[in-house]
Amino acid sequence: DAKTTQPPSMDCAEGRAANLPCNHSTISGNEYVYWYRQIHSQGPQYIIHGLKNNETNEMASLIITEDRKSSTLILPHATLRDTAVYYCIVRVAAGNMLTFGGGTRLMVKP
Amino acid sequence: EAQVTQNPRYLITVTGKKLTVTCSQNMNHEYMSWYRQDPGLGLRQIYYSMNVEVTDKGDVPEGYKVSRKEKRNFPLILESPSPNQTSLYFCASSYRGSSYNEQFFGPGTRLTVL
Repeated sequence: DAKTTQPPSMDCAEGRAANLPCNHSTISGNEYVYWYRQIHSQGPQYIIHGLKNNETNEMASLIITEDRKSSTLILPHATLRDTAVYYCIVRVAAGNMLTFGGGTRLMVKP
Repeated sequence: EAQVTQNPRYLITVTGKKLTVTCSQNMNHEYMSWYRQDPGLGLRQIYYSMNVEVTDKGDVPEGYKVSRKEKRNFPLILESPSPNQTSLYFCASSYRGSSYNEQFFGPGTRLTVL
């Protein structure tokens, strides 16, 4: 699976959009981009995933660049409960293992 | 409520004393797996199961055993625990073991081996 690079930490003001970047420059054509988050030692929680089109669900939006070498997770109106470590994962279509890197520790501040 | 449950949530034991951490899911998922999480190392997969009676090693299987006799249960067995198995353990399940399916994680089991 392709390696991902994320900033180790970010801050965001409550109510503002949180934009979390991820670089995956070695991604191959059959690899999906997944985002999970982990709130203080709880089990990781799925957020969203995509292949090449932008995706949106009730939690977030995923913007994938045209060359697929990077992506951005957008939490449109961050709340204090969104404080967590966010993991960007790239995974082959037939794979089943999730490889979690260091992630980005997002701190939402009042 | 759809969920993955693990028991116990916390366990302190001594070296060499066999233990089992249970994992159960109520979503009729085919795929289940175990991860351990250690500071600075992220989550690493221990074992996974694509379906009943089908299990395979992940990245760090040494010192662990698993079984999948029923679809809903996937226990993790430490036959002779050692201090380097002190960790936070997560069980996960998904409908199928492919990229199209999100994985649901349990709440975690914090194990300390003295």
